[in-house]
Amino acid sequence: SYALTQPPSVSVSPGETAAITCTGNRLREVSLCWFQQRPGQSPLLIIYQLNRRPPGIPARFSGSISGNTATLTISGAAALDDGDYYCQTWDGRTALFGGGTKLTVL
Amino acid sequence: EVDLVESGGGTVQPGGSLRLSCAASGFDFSVYWMNWVRQAPTKGLQWVGYIKGDGSETFYEDSLKDRFTISRDNAKKSVYLHIDNVRPEDTAVYYCVRHATFDKWGRGTLVAVSS
Repeated sequence: SYALTQPPSVSVSPGETAAITCTGNRLREVSLCWFQQRPGQSPLLIIYQLNRRPPGIPARFSGSISGNTATLTISGAAALDDGDYYCQTWDGRTALFGGGTKLTVL
Repeated sequence: EVDLVESGGGTVQPGGSLRLSCAASGFDFSVYWMNWVRQAPTKGLQWVGYIKGDGSETFYEDSLKDRFTISRDNAKKSVYLHIDNVRPEDTAVYYCVRHATFDKWGRGTLVAVSS
């Protein structure tokens, strides 16, 4: 079955740039989303339609795609960016989530 | 302000059934698709299924479609998830989530399946 693959963990130093990847054979730019989930909280939509940000999401979060890999880039990482990040897309009428990436800022 | 509040979680015995509810406010509920997404303890997100705004169509994750049913009552601005024959692997926090872009999430309700 179709799956989205993310690295289990990514570490970054404060102020540096973090990149989280999401690989899938049939990624659809029009429906690709990214979510942030801080410990103990519900997920939060931070990127939709590959590279659009909902109101209130800082510009340092951005999305891109190259071939079969989508990338969430966090510029100037801060401690509050610690958490789990998930990519998501639609495959027909089925929604798929990546396995999640734990981002550690230290 | 958009708000989604789930309820109905708790401890249930294997083989039992339960219905989760999600009360919506702050937006035109009948226009929006609604999804249910679950998250097992320390695990990632798993989409359960969706229902269209007018309730005319539902669709489910393939492995869950035989036991899970999503419905809605637009007059009450509520969406529901019914689970039959619950299994230990159904233990999770269940979230209701608005729209195909999953743009608003509730706080979730915890279901624990245990004898």
